[in-house]
Amino acid sequence: QKEVEQDPGPLSVPEGAIVSLNCTYSNSAFQYFMWYRQYSRKGPELLMYTYSSGNKEDGRFTAQVDKSSKYISLFIRDSQPSDSATYLCAMSLSGTYKYIFGTGTRLKVLA
Amino acid sequence: DTGVSQDPRHKITKRGQNVTFRCDPISEHNRLYWYRQTLGQGPEFLTYFQNEAQLEKSRLLSDRFSAERPKGSFSTLEIQRTEQGDSAMYLCASTETSGRVPDTQYFGPGTRLTVL
Repeated sequence: QKEVEQDPGPLSVPEGAIVSLNCTYSNSAFQYFMWYRQYSRKGPELLMYTYSSGNKEDGRFTAQVDKSSKYISLFIRDSQPSDSATYLCAMSLSGTYKYIFGTGTRLKVLA
Repeated sequence: DTGVSQDPRHKITKRGQNVTFRCDPISEHNRLYWYRQTLGQGPEFLTYFQNEAQLEKSRLLSDRFSAERPKGSFSTLEIQRTEQGDSAMYLCASTETSGRVPDTQYFGPGTRLTVL
């Protein structure tokens, strides 16, 4: 079993839809949770990070962490075609700087 | 452009050849990371440097792989005797030691290696 599981998609939604992206993990010691966006043939870029449980909002993006269920989510409101990309979740342990990434979910927002 | 840069962007080589990639981190970022990403997978951690010191290496980094950061600025990743299984995107990322956890890792565009 991988430490971090993520549905690879692809996930296709119409423009303006609310998108929900999710990851599950097995290591309860993970403390930091990140979401990266990766466009084709580009490096990942950080969207959001959260520490421990709770919600964090940044514009159209909301990140949620449920440590009791070992489940994290990224919500995208009013999705745009420019949001079409692969979304990677990443996690790390307290005191380390090594990120463990999920496989990424490919999202297509249709105009 | 003040982001992380990587060179070359693409490399095609024959099996058994040696290749070397370069990463230039964001200026004054003292941590530098190497990851490998294969198609349909997320980046996998290979190694990281704090200034010139290599502090952690993944088991993925076989003895054919070596990384250096001689002056604590740019870094090189060398693969000796390449194998077809080495074909992947090699990503470099850098962070500053801000005291804020987690430090934001800024990624470069990657070097895509194809081993024939």
